[in-house]
Amino acid sequence: GESVGLHLPTLSVQEGDNSIINCAYSNSASDYFIWYKQESGKGPQFIIDIRSNMDKRQGQRVTVLLNKTVKHLSLQIAATQPGDSAVYFCAENFMNRDDKIIFGKGTRLHILP
Amino acid sequence: GAGVSQSPSNKVTEKGKDVELRCDPISGHTALYWYRQSLGQGLEFLIYFQGNSAPDKSGLPSDRFSAERTGGSVSTLTIQRTQQEDSAVYLCASSPRSRATGNEQFFGPGTRLTVL
Repeated sequence: GESVGLHLPTLSVQEGDNSIINCAYSNSASDYFIWYKQESGKGPQFIIDIRSNMDKRQGQRVTVLLNKTVKHLSLQIAATQPGDSAVYFCAENFMNRDDKIIFGKGTRLHILP
Repeated sequence: GAGVSQSPSNKVTEKGKDVELRCDPISGHTALYWYRQSLGQGLEFLIYFQGNSAPDKSGLPSDRFSAERTGGSVSTLTIQRTQQEDSAVYLCASSPRSRATGNEQFFGPGTRLTVL
């Protein structure tokens, strides 16, 4: 669903450990999904995307998993670093229509030294 | 050339005044979005422009808010009779909406609005 001013949940992870950030999306017709990272004082930046014909996609240190059966998306970050501290948003879109992209609520990732 | 730009970067205004926020999207991007983000919170969708279609205004919080996009490029978000609860960062994003390249949004740096 859309984020409408709720305080963000926080995930605290030890530096060097792997992080898993979860997201539930709302529209079963959505066929394109994106993860964004937002650092303090900046606009969100693209991390990785995945189309609905895939269930896994890997980038540099990041992996996105898609489970369409339960409408669930996750972002895995390997060997987290201090620079990974940020707010992470998932987003969904139905590309075959001119629908807007819908953002999830966001999760704040806090890296412990 | 560069990414999405927004102006001003900061705006301080008095309650009751009108403000205009500007967004210059990436050239050629057909989709343009406005969001509002209060401190420590998520993105609140405001309005969405896609090509020549009628804009999706479903996120505008009140009739004091309006936006236009001229010539399919630059967009202006106008807030009339500002209230203190309007204080937030206003983010603009554009997207190519290409099936080949995806629908990634490119965000501007935002305008921080403070209503005194």
